[in-house]
Amino acid sequence: DTAVSQTPKYLVTQMGNDKSIKCEQNLGHDTMYWYKQDSKKFLKIMFSYNNKELIINETVPNRFSPKSPDKAHLNLHINSLELGDSAVYFCASSPLTGANVLTFGAGSRLTVL
Amino acid sequence: AQKVTQAQTEISVVEKEDVTLDCVYETRDTTYYLFWYKQPPSGELVFLIRRNSFDEQNEISGRYSWNFQKSTSSFNFTITASQVVDSAVYFCALTLNTNAGKSTFGDGTTLTVKP
Repeated sequence: DTAVSQTPKYLVTQMGNDKSIKCEQNLGHDTMYWYKQDSKKFLKIMFSYNNKELIINETVPNRFSPKSPDKAHLNLHINSLELGDSAVYFCASSPLTGANVLTFGAGSRLTVL
Repeated sequence: AQKVTQAQTEISVVEKEDVTLDCVYETRDTTYYLFWYKQPPSGELVFLIRRNSFDEQNEISGRYSWNFQKSTSSFNFTITASQVVDSAVYFCALTLNTNAGKSTFGDGTTLTVKP
């Protein structure tokens, strides 16, 4: 059973389109995150939710909108995709906030043409 | 603001060599946590170790060992007798107790172990 699962694994789309990435965790964790890894492998946090509440919102364009219907799910919707959005997006979860170990999903590679 | 520096962008060694990956961090907080994660070529990110700022004991796990020194703000990672399967990108990360679990990652060190 996959602990943190993301779908889709690969996403190729045209500029200007809207797309979503879904994430689900079955670990019973309270906190979920979205991280972005660019082509140089740099990892940066985008958002964090604790029990469905947004607690971290880094400097991310408004085109990115996370949604957490329950504490086991955190989806990422991206509007009006741009070339610079091409990256690998990782979902992660941890038991609580603070200094907990992150369990990552396998990543979703988004390519914007 | 906190910062993590992994000055070694790429390291290449031959199998069975020992290799040390450097990590230097900056923070004004006295309570913080340091992590190492591994990202093999398959792409997933795997947790290796966590250390809190009050525990400077070094740790050894098989061929892996970690040296935490607060005096130099460093948390270095050594692989002894490296193997081809150790080839990966290794990330050092820092999390403050106060900032809602936000982890700051270093830029990563790509380790290539050649047979």
